[in-house]
Amino acid sequence: DTEVTQTPKHLVMGMTNKKSLKCEQHMGHRAMYWYKQKAKKPPELMFVYSYEKLSINESVPSRFSPECPNSSLLNLHLHALQPEDSALYLCASSPGKGQGRVAEAFFGQGTRLTVV
Amino acid sequence: GIQVEQSPPDLILQEGANSTLRCNFSDSVNNLQWFHQNPWGQLINLFYIPSGTKQNGRLSATTVATERYSLLYISSSQTTDSGVYFCAVVMNTGFQKLVFGTGTRLLVSP
Repeated sequence: DTEVTQTPKHLVMGMTNKKSLKCEQHMGHRAMYWYKQKAKKPPELMFVYSYEKLSINESVPSRFSPECPNSSLLNLHLHALQPEDSALYLCASSPGKGQGRVAEAFFGQGTRLTVV
Repeated sequence: GIQVEQSPPDLILQEGANSTLRCNFSDSVNNLQWFHQNPWGQLINLFYIPSGTKQNGRLSATTVATERYSLLYISSSQTTDSGVYFCAVVMNTGFQKLVFGTGTRLLVSP
């Protein structure tokens, strides 16, 4: 099973709303990632969690707040977003240090977010 | 940071044609993956290929790490091959930071 599941698939939110994106994997991976992808651009890394600890934050604005409650789950909490934050948000996981192909990443289907 | 350039940026093919996509990277890497992004946004793993050559059906890939490039070959293309192809690398010094290339947008027409 190489599946990463993201919910919801689509989300429309207002600029004053609070919402959360969810990501789940059951491959025993210990590294999880959030990426943001704008139209016609490559995905850009936002956050990396390794063994449930935040290891990389690519200077993402504080209106995006990641959370890794356990080794299988990754959340992205959204608050006071701007229309320019509309994008496809992708979650990924990889085995992590000390395991097989350390950095072979598998991606979820993404959440298409529209901020109005 | 590392630069990952792909060529060509756009490619239009007739069904049945063959093609070669290229990925150049500016620094040493210890991982390279090829992905196909379908029209719904899903990134599908094609190859994990830090070095050497691999084949999977009509697709094959070659990475020459010492010369900092990788090639993806698509033979007998089909309309379902349409989409965007990305290579992505992890630097030797970087901790699991997967950096994507600029992408090649492929359209296969019937």
